[in-house]
Amino acid sequence: GAGVSQSPSNKVTEKGKDVELRCDPISGHTALYWYRQSLGQGLEFLIYFQGNSAPDKSGLPSDRFSAERTGGSVSTLTIQRTQQEDSAVYLCASSSFGTRTDTQYFGPGTRLTVL
Amino acid sequence: AQSVTQLGSHVSVSEGALVLLRCNYSSSVPPYLFWYVQYPNQGLQLLLKYTTGATLVKGINGFEAEFKKSETSFHLTKPSAHMSDAAEYFCAVSEAVGYNKLIFGAGTRLAVHP
Repeated sequence: GAGVSQSPSNKVTEKGKDVELRCDPISGHTALYWYRQSLGQGLEFLIYFQGNSAPDKSGLPSDRFSAERTGGSVSTLTIQRTQQEDSAVYLCASSSFGTRTDTQYFGPGTRLTVL
Repeated sequence: AQSVTQLGSHVSVSEGALVLLRCNYSSSVPPYLFWYVQYPNQGLQLLLKYTTGATLVKGINGFEAEFKKSETSFHLTKPSAHMSDAAEYFCAVSEAVGYNKLIFGAGTRLAVHP
């Protein structure tokens, strides 16, 4: 069956521009997560969605970062006024229910480069 | 707060040799532990997980890990390395919240030589 998909796979932008990253989770999965993978910081949790609600946004690095989820499905991570330190791979994952024992299924990621 | 330490950012083995990737965790509650593998330019794929029950957990591709509470460890092993095992491996613990918020180790890059 279809896994988690993310688009675009690569994004190059100029400093100060806004970018939108998209995640399509596995159909029927209620939980959705965003992570950031960078050389200096490793894999960091950004935000968790249960349905369309985001009960945990604690990992968002600054108010330039926001995310939404619509229809209990697609999620968009938006970064405003991008900075060079935002360069990283952004990974999305989904899981059936979001319980602590759930398996998270990861997408291939979006590689963001800010020039 | 939970945390994960992976000893050795790079491990190199010969094809056919034992693979041992080390993971130690700290947790204030009974831990749920995961090993993920990441191949170049791909997302993470679950190898195995420990939640409750048997402490020796078998996963995909011949990997297994043993949960040792007394040592706060969850090391990953495979008896005989294959060239296709070359990848980056991440150990993770589920944080003590009501959902699966994963805290990852820094990762170990495994190289397999002929």
